[in-house]
Amino acid sequence: GAVVSQHPSRVICKSGTSVKIECRSLDFQATTMFWYRQFPKQSLMLMATSNEGSKATYEQGVEKDKFLINHASLTLSTLTVTSAHPEDSSFYICSARDPAGAGEAFFGQGTRLTVV
Amino acid sequence: GENVEQHPSTLSVQEGDSAVIKCTYSDSASNYFPWYKQELGKRPQLIIDIRSNVGEKKDQRIAVTLNKTAKHFSLHITETQPEDSAVYFCAALRNGNQFYFGTGTSLTVIP
Repeated sequence: GAVVSQHPSRVICKSGTSVKIECRSLDFQATTMFWYRQFPKQSLMLMATSNEGSKATYEQGVEKDKFLINHASLTLSTLTVTSAHPEDSSFYICSARDPAGAGEAFFGQGTRLTVV
Repeated sequence: GENVEQHPSTLSVQEGDSAVIKCTYSDSASNYFPWYKQELGKRPQLIIDIRSNVGEKKDQRIAVTLNKTAKHFSLHITETQPEDSAVYFCAALRNGNQFYFGTGTSLTVIP
C-alpha cells in the first residue's frame, strides 16, 4: 500500500521553542493531508486539513497561530508547534489518502512531542 | 462536523470468543467507514472498510456491518487471538476527504 512517512518520531524541546514535524507521501501525490493529535489512551483528534498551495483548514478550537501548517508541495506537509508549552506534549500523527487508491487513509509513524 | 461515537471503550474477551464494537455517526452524507487497529505507540493500520452502498463485508475472521438508516456500523472479530489485543478505531469519511474517528475501544484477548 501507499506509504506516508513522518519525521521526527520523537522530539523533546524546551518551553518557548518551536518544533517542526514533517509528513511526506512517498509514492503518491497528496493534495490533502490531515494532522491529528492523540492523547494517551484516547482517540485521534483531527486538528486541521492541510491543502497543497492554499491555507489549511483548522478544526474548531485549534489555534492556527499555535499550530502552523504548510503544504508547499504535493508530497510534503509540515506542522510547526510554535512557542511550545508542556500542555502541547502529545502524539501527533499525519495521514493522507491516495487519490488513485481505494480511498483508505494512510498514516505516518507519528511524532511523540515532549515539552519540558 | 461529523460526530462519531464508539462503544464500548474497553472490552475483554476470552481467546476464541467473539468481539463486537459498535459505532454511530451523525452525518448522513458520510459514505466510507474504515476500521483501524492501533498498537501502542504505533500508527493506525486499516483492517477492514465498508462503503455506504454495501451492508456487510467480511475478511476471514473480521467482518463489518453497516446500517445506513440507523447510521451505525459494527466490527465483528471471531475466534479472537491474543494478537488481536489493541485499540480499535472506527471512522467516517465526510466531504470526501475528512476522516472523523470514534473514541476507540481497547480490546484485550485473554489467553
